[in-house]
Amino acid sequence: DTEVTQTPKHLVMGMTNKKSLKCEQHMGHRAMYWYKQKAKKPPELMFVYSYEKLSINESVPSRFSPECPNSSLLNLHLHALQPEDSALYLCASSQLALETQYFGPGTRLLVL
Amino acid sequence: AQSVTQLDSQVPVFEEAPVELRCNYSSSVSVYLFWYVQYPNQGLQLLLKYLSGSTLVKGINGFEAEFNKSQTSFHLRKPSVHISDTAEYFCAVKNAGGTSYGKLTFGQGTILTVHP
Repeated sequence: DTEVTQTPKHLVMGMTNKKSLKCEQHMGHRAMYWYKQKAKKPPELMFVYSYEKLSINESVPSRFSPECPNSSLLNLHLHALQPEDSALYLCASSQLALETQYFGPGTRLLVL
Repeated sequence: AQSVTQLDSQVPVFEEAPVELRCNYSSSVSVYLFWYVQYPNQGLQLLLKYLSGSTLVKGINGFEAEFNKSQTSFHLRKPSVHISDTAEYFCAVKNAGGTSYGKLTFGQGTILTVHP
């Protein structure tokens, strides 16, 4: 089983809202990732967690706040987003940071 | 630093025809190579990967790819495509060593459109 689940599938939010994206995997993977994908572009890495610790932050604005409460769960907290943050947000996980990454279906975010 | 170039942004083919999607990479260190497929409004699904060993790698849905170290290429092939193969395909590379800590570098993607 190589399933990564993400909720919600779609999210519409205003620029003053606070919302969270959730990602879950039960494969025992110890590395988890957030990617942002704009239309007609490849995914861009945002954050990497390894053993529940943040190991990579790709200079992401502070209005995006990741959280890894346990080895199966990864959240992305959103606050005061801009319309240009509208995108597909993908979560991925891997056994370890060097291993093959498996992606979830994504959350399509629209910021109004 | 690494980079990935997918030489064709769009590839139209007829059903049951063969297809090749081209991928070249640049890296100063050993790499792992991946092909992912993304169907409309979905996440990425792993098609196949090259980590080491045999340079011909077989994946899901009848796809295969060949790693060519001298030409720094990892082209994806399928001998006979189906309508259901219509999707966007991403080639990706990752350092085989420990310094990049899991960062995947993606190509710009190739949209494969299979016509009846």
